[in-house]
Amino acid sequence: GQQVMQIPQYQHVQEGEDFTTYCNSSTTLSNIQWYKQRPGGHPVFLIQLVKSGEVKKQKRLTFQFGEAKKNSSLHITATQTTDVGTYFCVHISNFGNEKLTFGTGTRLTIIP
Amino acid sequence: DGGITQSPKYLFRKEGQNVTLSCEQNLNHDAMYWYRQDPGQGLRLIYYSQIVNDFQKGDIAEGYSVSREKKESFPLTVTSAQKNPTAFYLCASSTTFTGEQYFGPGTRLTVT
Repeated sequence: GQQVMQIPQYQHVQEGEDFTTYCNSSTTLSNIQWYKQRPGGHPVFLIQLVKSGEVKKQKRLTFQFGEAKKNSSLHITATQTTDVGTYFCVHISNFGNEKLTFGTGTRLTIIP
Repeated sequence: DGGITQSPKYLFRKEGQNVTLSCEQNLNHDAMYWYRQDPGQGLRLIYYSQIVNDFQKGDIAEGYSVSREKKESFPLTVTSAQKNPTAFYLCASSTTFTGEQYFGPGTRLTVT
């Protein structure tokens, strides 16, 4: 099965620097979700975006859904060591043909 | 204490044997999912179920089987037909197909 590409695949940042991961689709999405998976753990839900152009914030995290509902981004301001993990976007489509696909993930490493 | 449980945490089997992984939730969720995660990779959908007594194939269903006889339970059988069964298996549930997913702690299956 096809997986959704996220970029970058890996990101190493100095603590305090910003971080962004991008998620792209060739098809229009019903909604998009973001999850975080700590090393050795299981994915934990962060946010769901539904509306075109939607922007949501959670403390230092900013999530965006593109105007055409085909791409999304997660931006972390001033990273901390607790931000370490892999961030996944999940494409969900229920326009007639149900489709749920996890992105390939971006693994974030923080350099203290 | 509501949640989703998977057992066992680690499972070892000989090649050629079928093995069943347990997944139970007490969140009263209608939808349940099984994913496979390989080292350094994203999650790939094996099967999902949106309602009791009904389930659909995901992207990599070959070599796997499921049942959904009860709302709370969604066991996954890894059959001997699965060519590369060694992986980390994650179960999840949500209120609806497009809703926030809650993940269990996962089962690491090793087949030798």
